[in-house]
Amino acid sequence: AQSVTQLDSHVSVSEGTPVLLRCNYSSSYSPSLFWYVQHPNKGLQLLLKYTSAATLVKGINGFEAEFKKSETSFHLTKPSAHMSDAAEYFCVIGSARQLTFGSGTQLTVLP
Amino acid sequence: EAGVAQSPRYKIIEKRQSVAFWCNPISGHATLYWYQQILGQGPKLLIQFQNNGVVDDSQLPKDRFSAERLKGVDSTLKIQPAKLEDSAVYLCASSGQANYEQYFGPGTRLTVT
Repeated sequence: AQSVTQLDSHVSVSEGTPVLLRCNYSSSYSPSLFWYVQHPNKGLQLLLKYTSAATLVKGINGFEAEFKKSETSFHLTKPSAHMSDAAEYFCVIGSARQLTFGSGTQLTVLP
Repeated sequence: EAGVAQSPRYKIIEKRQSVAFWCNPISGHATLYWYQQILGQGPKLLIQFQNNGVVDDSQLPKDRFSAERLKGVDSTLKIQPAKLEDSAVYLCASSGQANYEQYFGPGTRLTVT
């Protein structure tokens, strides 16, 4: 079975400072990994995806994530947080077109 | 292109009542998913359709939940009778043939009192 663990349930950063949301995965074979974002009262939106191509994946809105097999990690980063980044972020692992979601990280951006 | 549509957006019912949710996927998407998202948790897959056939319903509580996708387009998820623990957001998603990417609707927030 595949699974992901999001290491922080809440992260607070100041506007303009870097963002780091941590995710570890467990899989017996090369996984497909995703980050989704959920703004209040809106649907889930795909930020980026890793499917065994380049290990550094760039997504929308300046986010990127690096797949590290040796560390079984897929952390999400952004160099400079914006107020509009405040939302819930989900690390997701996929197989056979099925997605398994982590428990989520709530990102708060302070002015 | 139009996104995944869901209705209603909000529903409040009493326990033991029944409720139904509707989903219209993105045009041409063969695969349709229903998820349950309880407050503070990630979405959990309830059922997956490929066209009008069920691919996976292993996590669907079949004693009270049912879903159908007639004609392989839109889908209905029903709960009968509802319990307090069914309070959640019910998300519908669809995907095309080419990749894993799932597109999500805005969800239906169900409150059972």
